[in-house]
Amino acid sequence: AQTVTQSQPEMSVQEAETVTLSCTYDTSESDYYLFWYKQPPSRQMILVIRQEAYKQQNATENRFSVNFQKAAKSFSLKISDSQLGDAAMYFCARFGNEKLTFGTGTRLTIIP
Amino acid sequence: EAEVAQSPRYKITEKSQAVAFWCDPISGHATLYWYRQILGQGPELLVQFQDESVVDDSQLPKDRFSAERLKGVDSTLKIQPAELGDSAMYLCASSLRLAAGGGLYEQYFGPGTRLTVT
Repeated sequence: AQTVTQSQPEMSVQEAETVTLSCTYDTSESDYYLFWYKQPPSRQMILVIRQEAYKQQNATENRFSVNFQKAAKSFSLKISDSQLGDAAMYFCARFGNEKLTFGTGTRLTIIP
Repeated sequence: EAEVAQSPRYKITEKSQAVAFWCDPISGHATLYWYRQILGQGPELLVQFQDESVVDDSQLPKDRFSAERLKGVDSTLKIQPAELGDSAMYLCASSLRLAAGGGLYEQYFGPGTRLTVT
């Protein structure tokens, strides 16, 4: 099975600081997509950022950016200027073979 | 803003009983997904529909689970009989039609149904 691994079950960061969440994945495909999803408590999962594997440039969405290292199969998420509303479970996911495969998630706590 | 609707939000049922979940995707979304999310884990795909047809149900425990999308719009996921290990969050998601030859549209998730089997 092609897996997605998030090695940090929990992370915490001081409000306004920067935090990086790690993700590695396994794939035999050359063309695929990578995502970070956010799942706040008791709320639905929403897409934070996406990266096409064929693009070398790292994706950025406002305070969220990724560090995509294709050869290392690494896809980390950086959250800058952390805010209280960023507290949630964050899931890394890979889309390949028309299927979305998720990691086990990282619970992010924001310390006021 | 259009959202994926799911009901009920919470369901408690006894072992061996039947239970059903309903999902209404975003209007115009031809592709519908059911995921199971066990506490502490990421979602796992159970079944994927394109319109009314099943595209992938390889991870669906077919001895007890069934899913249908009769008119290619809303969908029902059923478990009969429920087992203790079925306790989980059941998520529904939808996206625009899968593009021919691949391609990707964003999946939009509903709020989920949290199932507790006692």
